[in-house]
Amino acid sequence: QVQLQESGPGLVKPSETLSLTCAVSGYSISSGYYWNWIRQPPGKGLEWIGSIYHSGTTYYNPSLKSRVTISVDTSKNQFSLKLSSVTAADTALYYCAREHHHGLIDYWGQGTLVTVSS
Amino acid sequence: QSALTQPPSASGSPGQSVTISCTGTSSDVGGYKYVSWYQHHPGKAPKLLIYEVSQRPSGVPDRFSGSKSGNTASLTVSGLQAEDEADYYCCSYAGGNNPHVVFGGGTKLTVL
Repeated sequence: QVQLQESGPGLVKPSETLSLTCAVSGYSISSGYYWNWIRQPPGKGLEWIGSIYHSGTTYYNPSLKSRVTISVDTSKNQFSLKLSSVTAADTALYYCAREHHHGLIDYWGQGTLVTVSS
Repeated sequence: QSALTQPPSASGSPGQSVTISCTGTSSDVGGYKYVSWYQHHPGKAPKLLIYEVSQRPSGVPDRFSGSKSGNTASLTVSGLQAEDEADYYCCSYAGGNNPHVVFGGGTKLTVL
């Protein structure tokens, strides 16, 4: 059974960089698929942040592209998200997820809440 | 990147059918066969209901069906059940020079 687990600080100060990691078990990232970050601000809908292919190719939400970096560490079977210059608008439940292709997402983490506040 | 347009709410009585629309553009919904739908109960991870417009993963009841016409995709839930009350999100691939994925704003389905 594939499982994904997000981890990282639950509180980040404005203007700093949000960093999260997603540990994957039950499947080797290097074997394939796209690995996604998706967020849900309180009371709002899902927003796709970006993804990384197992080979390292990245795809980003055009509206966040200038602030987002997604990387993969196949030796640890995990991938990471960095979002720079955060503001209160970046407060959200952050999910990591596995995507077959073209938005077909079959496994999700449980999500981790990140609050941006001083 | 603009979110796909969904009605914020929908409702129906047990046993009835409800259809949720998802409107995009020719650059996303209308341009590709890659529309998926997710069911999201608060506090749980979203669940894939439909992929590639109308395909159901194994284990998803055939009460859930998807279709597309032009730039608008639709999810129909037939034979509504109490456990169908949840948020529903459409999702589309958007190609071009910067391939990406875009979600709809979500629809809260209430079973009356």
